[in-house]
Amino acid sequence: SQTIHQWPATLVQPVGSPLSLECTVEGTSNPNLYWYRQAAGRGLQLLFYSVGIGQISSEVPQNLSASRPQDRQFILSSKKLLLSDSGFYLCAWTLRGGQGYGYTFGSGTRLTVV
Amino acid sequence: AQKITQTQPGMFVQEKEAVTLDCTYDTSDPSYGLFWYKQPSSGEMIFLIYQGSYDQQNATEGRYSLNFQKARKSANLVISASQLGDSAMYFCAMRGLLYGQNFVFGPGTRLSVLP
Repeated sequence: SQTIHQWPATLVQPVGSPLSLECTVEGTSNPNLYWYRQAAGRGLQLLFYSVGIGQISSEVPQNLSASRPQDRQFILSSKKLLLSDSGFYLCAWTLRGGQGYGYTFGSGTRLTVV
Repeated sequence: AQKITQTQPGMFVQEKEAVTLDCTYDTSDPSYGLFWYKQPSSGEMIFLIYQGSYDQQNATEGRYSLNFQKARKSANLVISASQLGDSAMYFCAMRGLLYGQNFVFGPGTRLSVLP
């Protein structure tokens, strides 16, 4: 069966520090991978998605970047965090090829920039 | 472009009663899927139910059913016999064939179940 792992669960980082959030998927190949951010009590904002190794699409210009060094690994990074980077970050994966495939989400990372 | 509208920012329902969460969508995709997700306070996103645009029957999954009205472009979630554990944010989402196959999410509805 397919599983998705996301870590860490919570993170408190000072302004100006770097960030690295990791997401890995097991039990499938060639997934589409996504990073979303959610402000408290708000909806989901798509940050990045990837359809293959090294292929990253950015939806919103910002202080963050993403990389996909392996087929089932997706990393969200920042060189210098801003207060506005605080939020709940969710990784998700889905299969290609049809509108019937839903997203499976990781458990999320709650980031607080202080 | 695709868009999901959820007009109810917050809803209250008495325990054991049924509740309907509204979702309307806009798309020019000839084929698409509609999904509902639940997000409790822990933050995890839990898949609830799926409806394909060409499905003839409304989808059901246990206490969840999807009232799909294609001509009206609506995909309302019905929760029967509400439980306290149903208190959460609920997101309607759509995935089509034309626009990169990425999901489009609605803004969500916060449901509170009262004892």
